[in-house]
Amino acid sequence: AQSVTQPDIHITVSEGASLELRCNYSYGATPYLFWYVQSPGQGLQLLLKYFSGDTLVQGIKGFEAEFKRSQSSFNLRKPSVHWSDAAEYFCAVGANIYGQNFVFGPGTRLSVLP
Amino acid sequence: DTEVTQTPKHLVMGMTNKKSLKCEQHMGHRAMYWYKQKAKKPPELMFVYSYEKLSINESVPSRFSPECPNSSLLNLHLHALQPEDSALYLCASSQADGGSGYTFGSGTRLTVV
Repeated sequence: AQSVTQPDIHITVSEGASLELRCNYSYGATPYLFWYVQSPGQGLQLLLKYFSGDTLVQGIKGFEAEFKRSQSSFNLRKPSVHWSDAAEYFCAVGANIYGQNFVFGPGTRLSVLP
Repeated sequence: DTEVTQTPKHLVMGMTNKKSLKCEQHMGHRAMYWYKQKAKKPPELMFVYSYEKLSINESVPSRFSPECPNSSLLNLHLHALQPEDSALYLCASSQADGGSGYTFGSGTRLTVV
């Protein structure tokens, strides 16, 4: 079974600073990898996903993530954070099997200082 | 239409009440999901429907009863809930193999009193 860890429970950055959120996964085959964002009291919004091909994927809202198979990582990055990026971020891994569900990481809460 | 719509957005119910949560999507997705999310935690899978048939039940208590009347609708019937069932209930949908990621609704905030 797959598993996901997000080592940072809470990160605080200043507005305009760069951001990197870490995600490590465990899965025996090539996984489907995702990053979701959740604003307080809201549902989850898909930021980006990786299935295969180019290991650097671009997402919405200026986010990107890089898949590194050797490190079992899929870290999320943004060059310049905006105050509206403050939210909870979840990394998720899906198995490449029909009907199997995602496993979500525990989440990283991002705070942005003005 | 690229949304998953959940109603109601907020629900307060007593422990003896019967209520239902509703989820609707018109993206042609053939897999639909119910998740439960407690504060400051990731979503936890409850049920998966694939082609309108229940394919996964994550050992959810029988006071939660899912229903998928057609490929666009998913209901969650609630009866005799406990205060610890208070949470954000999220519906999601996806292509049948889940590979393109899930589209989530904004959730129903449930409070059991």
